[in-house]
This record gives sequence, C-alpha cells and structure tokens, in this order.
Amino acid sequence: GAVVSQHPSWVICKSGTSVKIECRSLDFQATTMFWYRQFPKQSLMLMATSNEGSKATYEQGVEKDKFLINHASLTLSTLTVTSAHPEDSSFYICSARAPGDSGSEQFFGPGTRLTVL
Amino acid sequence: GENVGLHLPTLSVQEGDNSIINCAYSNSASDYFIWYKQESGKGPQFIIDIRSNMDKRQGQRVTVLLNKTVKHLSLQIAATQPGDSAVYFCAATMNSGTYKYIFGTGTRLKVLA
Repeated sequence: GAVVSQHPSWVICKSGTSVKIECRSLDFQATTMFWYRQFPKQSLMLMATSNEGSKATYEQGVEKDKFLINHASLTLSTLTVTSAHPEDSSFYICSARAPGDSGSEQFFGPGTRLTVL
Repeated sequence: GENVGLHLPTLSVQEGDNSIINCAYSNSASDYFIWYKQESGKGPQFIIDIRSNMDKRQGQRVTVLLNKTVKHLSLQIAATQPGDSAVYFCAATMNSGTYKYIFGTGTRLKVLA
C-alpha cells in the first residue's frame, strides 16, 4: 500500500514551453501532497505544500507564478513549470500523506527528470 | 535558520561490516525524524523513522538513534550489503506538529566487496 506515482518519469522540452507533471496516490487518498526539487548531487528542497481544494503554500524563494500547483482531487496533484528555462532542469519529486494519519510519514513518488534545452 | 546536516558526504564500508551514518539538526521543535535511501534516478525510499519521545528504534538490520540533547540522529546498518549502496538522507519535521520536512545534505554509502 501507500504507492505514489508520477508521470512522466522524464521529459525534455524546449526553453519557453510549459511542462505539467502529475503526482497520484494510487491506493489512498491524500489530503496533502508536497513538491520537492532536487539538483544533481544535492538534497531535496521543499517547493510547496499542496492541499486538496485549496491554494498551495509555497516555500520562500519559490515563484508561485512559475510553478503552478493544482490539487483538484484527493488522489492527484499537478505541478506545471511555466515558461521553462534551462535552470529549471532538475529532478522533481512529489510526496503524499494520508488523511487521518496520526503520524507524519510522507510517501514519495519515483520522481520526474525535467531537462530544458 | 533551520538546518539538517550530515557529518560525512561519502562513507565507504567493507561488505559485512556495520555502517553508521550521522545527521545533525538545528530545530529543537522537530518532533519526527526519518531516514531515507535514494538510489540514482529514483525517489526516496523510507527506511526507518523515530519520534522525539523515543531515543532508539530498531528495524530489520537498521537502527536509528536520536539524541535530542545534542540534536543528533544516526542510522546504523548491520552487516552492510552491496544492495545498501545508495545516498542516505535524514529528514526532520520543520516544527512540532507540522507535516513539512527539511532534508539533510545526504551521505553516499559505498559498499566495498
């Protein structure tokens, strides 16, 4: 149980285009999902917290107009990188936690590798 | 500011030996700590967790120790195997009762045959 998937697993796009990444909780409903970014040989950096039915909360320094997050259902959150540039190339990872979970455990997706040319 | 850091960027261990990976955190309000394993090109894989009301927790071949006095966390892997080679991250909740994590910088574990 507690499986989180991401789609696509990798994407290559041209500079200036927008890319959408999906994060799905496959066997549980997730009231809260998180989006992280990871550059090569670096740690995961939290970008934003996505709550179902409400606006995402962005971490300091993360442009909300550039990284659009939609959490339309309890099993799906999307991250759209708008007008992507080469510096946006990174490994994007989502995680989810289940409602009513008394703990704080997050279940992570396999990540999406974005390369902007 | 908040920080979760690791003492060593790379750890090389002989197969069969025990591994110890360390982590320091700065926020005394953190109340939940997790160790993750990440293989190249994959998402983090949960290893073991511990709450702030405990100082030790054991799993299969792994043990996590928490010292709140010095804000230090360690992961011990017994009888390290080649399949244990990966990058290991510690994570801590940003504050008590929050679900947001802050991750450490990571330690690469290399298992030597």
